[in-house]
Amino acid sequence: DTGVSQDPRHKITKRGQNVTFRCDPISEHNRLYWYRQTLGQGPEFLTYFQNEAQLEKSRLLSDRFSAERPKGSFSTLEIQRTEQGDSAMYLCASSLGGRKLYSNQPQHFGDGTRLSIL
Amino acid sequence: AQRVTQPEKLLSVFKGAPVELKCNYSYSGSPELFWYVQYSRQRLQLLLRHISRESIKGFTADLNKGETSFHLKKPFAQEEDSAMYYCALSARAGGTSYGKLTFGQGTILTVHP
Repeated sequence: DTGVSQDPRHKITKRGQNVTFRCDPISEHNRLYWYRQTLGQGPEFLTYFQNEAQLEKSRLLSDRFSAERPKGSFSTLEIQRTEQGDSAMYLCASSLGGRKLYSNQPQHFGDGTRLSIL
Repeated sequence: AQRVTQPEKLLSVFKGAPVELKCNYSYSGSPELFWYVQYSRQRLQLLLRHISRESIKGFTADLNKGETSFHLKKPFAQEEDSAMYYCALSARAGGTSYGKLTFGQGTILTVHP
């Protein structure tokens, strides 16, 4: 198992373009998380899935952002009409989780996708 | 709402000296606290979690609910400990684990030879 995989590692695009990132979690993990990290800050939560259900979205996630996890395996994060402020590292993490688990299982992070908006 | 504060952005010590990275949190419920570490050019990885009460790589952290703190300590720092350290909180309610992490801003630890 190679851990959480994210693609691409780097994305450079012009303002106004759409971008899509992919995350492949650890195979047996049912939870998948997206975070955003800007320079000098810790990661900030964006959204998470349990299997294919999107259970929570942060207020940071504007209408231009959409995330999917159609078959409960890999996930995509799309940003439409990118803006300068979208430049950041986008991190994906996965874990085991659920109602019967009384403690949070550790989240395993990918290397992230660095987005640069020109 | 939950919040995590790491008051020191930078911390420098010499090899063999004790080190303490501070973390304070605010949350009205029952939190779970974690320390994550990111070594140069590596991905973010879990260092330890309060419920495990483990010592990992010589580091320990005790949850102090009275002071709402979860400071990370090591009695004798090593050069390989140089990294970015993040304190993180996960909120729970009842028996359900929420999962999402709230991170502090991070502390860059540099251990000089």
